[in-house]
Amino acid sequence: GESVGLHLPTLSVQEGDNSIINCAYSNSASDYFIWYKQESGKGPQFIIDIRSNMDKRQGQRVTVLLNKTVKHLSLQIAATQPGDSAVYFCAERPPSNTGKLIFGQGTTLQVKP
Amino acid sequence: DGGITQSPKYLFRKEGQNVTLSCEQNLNHDAMYWYRQDPGQGLRLIYYSQIVNDFQKGDIAEGYSVSREKKESFPLTVTSAQKNPTAFYLCASSIAGEQPQHFGDGTRLSIL
Repeated sequence: GESVGLHLPTLSVQEGDNSIINCAYSNSASDYFIWYKQESGKGPQFIIDIRSNMDKRQGQRVTVLLNKTVKHLSLQIAATQPGDSAVYFCAERPPSNTGKLIFGQGTTLQVKP
Repeated sequence: DGGITQSPKYLFRKEGQNVTLSCEQNLNHDAMYWYRQDPGQGLRLIYYSQIVNDFQKGDIAEGYSVSREKKESFPLTVTSAQKNPTAFYLCASSIAGEQPQHFGDGTRLSIL
């Protein structure tokens, strides 16, 4: 079936550095993408989203880039902090009227002090 | 504050027993979803409901059942037919047809 996958299962960065988490999605017709952050024992927390008619979207310390040519999504976190340590999931929404999302496996971000 | 409440946080099931996980939201969202998460894995969709009194199977519905009698509530029953129920269960809601989905803090189900 369809799946969204991430290139690296674990990313370790130094506090203060920038982090880049990558995601490959499978359905070229997907029109909406989301990044979630999940801390241990908690539910996923919305970070940022982007629609397929955009290439880039910025939030507070985070930027999402969408490359539809190669079906690639990335999340950039500026000045990574210890509180950013978590598992990050990307999700895509294939075309339908159900709002269903397909989630990737997740990337663990470890921030070293 | 508006949000999604899942209860209980931890749940134990005996062999052959059905258990029900609660999910309540006060966000006035039409759509609600149940996901299962296994260790080191992503989220897999069990059931979803776009409107009261209507729901559809997701990718792994076997051994589960749901009801949607009220807009605010979408309980999930893990039946004895689910042979591997140990997992972290997450409930989410969204404005119908729109994203993002907002999640509760999950229920961790274990087998005694």
